[in-house]
Amino acid sequence: GAGVSQSPRYKVAKRGQDVALRCDPISGHVSLFWYQQALGQGPEFLTYFQNEAQLDKSGLPSDRFFAERPEGSVSTLKIQRTQQEDSAVYLCASSASNQPQHFGDGTRLSIL
Amino acid sequence: GQNIDQPTEMTATEGAIVQINCTYQTSGFNGLFWYQQHAGEAPTFLSYNVLDGLEEKGRFSSFLSRSKGYSYLLLKELQMKDSASYLCAVYTSGTYKYIFGTGTRLKVLA
Repeated sequence: GAGVSQSPRYKVAKRGQDVALRCDPISGHVSLFWYQQALGQGPEFLTYFQNEAQLDKSGLPSDRFFAERPEGSVSTLKIQRTQQEDSAVYLCASSASNQPQHFGDGTRLSIL
Repeated sequence: GQNIDQPTEMTATEGAIVQINCTYQTSGFNGLFWYQQHAGEAPTFLSYNVLDGLEEKGRFSSFLSRSKGYSYLLLKELQMKDSASYLCAVYTSGTYKYIFGTGTRLKVLA
């Protein structure tokens, strides 16, 4: 497709379950970012990939959060043993070198 | 620390001009971005400033003063569809992070 694609669009999970969120970036985009956005707030940086290398993961809130991009294209954000405070919209963005980011529509995660 | 400040909400009338301010204090600066975000949708890129001055793009303009840590987004000839959140984001140097403000919710009234 032409834009960044994220799936699922909505995810409901019970507290303690593991979830996996997928991001398909724009083809050829080297950079990939994950953000967490709470209601009424701006996106908060989670992690950054340049191709398959995870160059910055300083925004991941705990060791329950894990992200990968094994072939430098599709990325997965995994959250283990989910907790209620993990409820948020998770945004993925990709960009070419020195170009603005293009965002996906996000995955709205609700933890019950 | 890293801090970006924007007003929480603004209201303006259709056809008018509105200026949304953003002040920032970050460890390093490599550019400032403005994004528009409609409720439930992805942020979309509006403008980018890396040098001081005004960048104009149709009905939207953005200004930057690096010495003052200040930027504004100017929207002219407001339309109802401009009702959205406007996010200010700084790309920090020495890292790969974009630091976003909380966003300004703009309501355009008929």
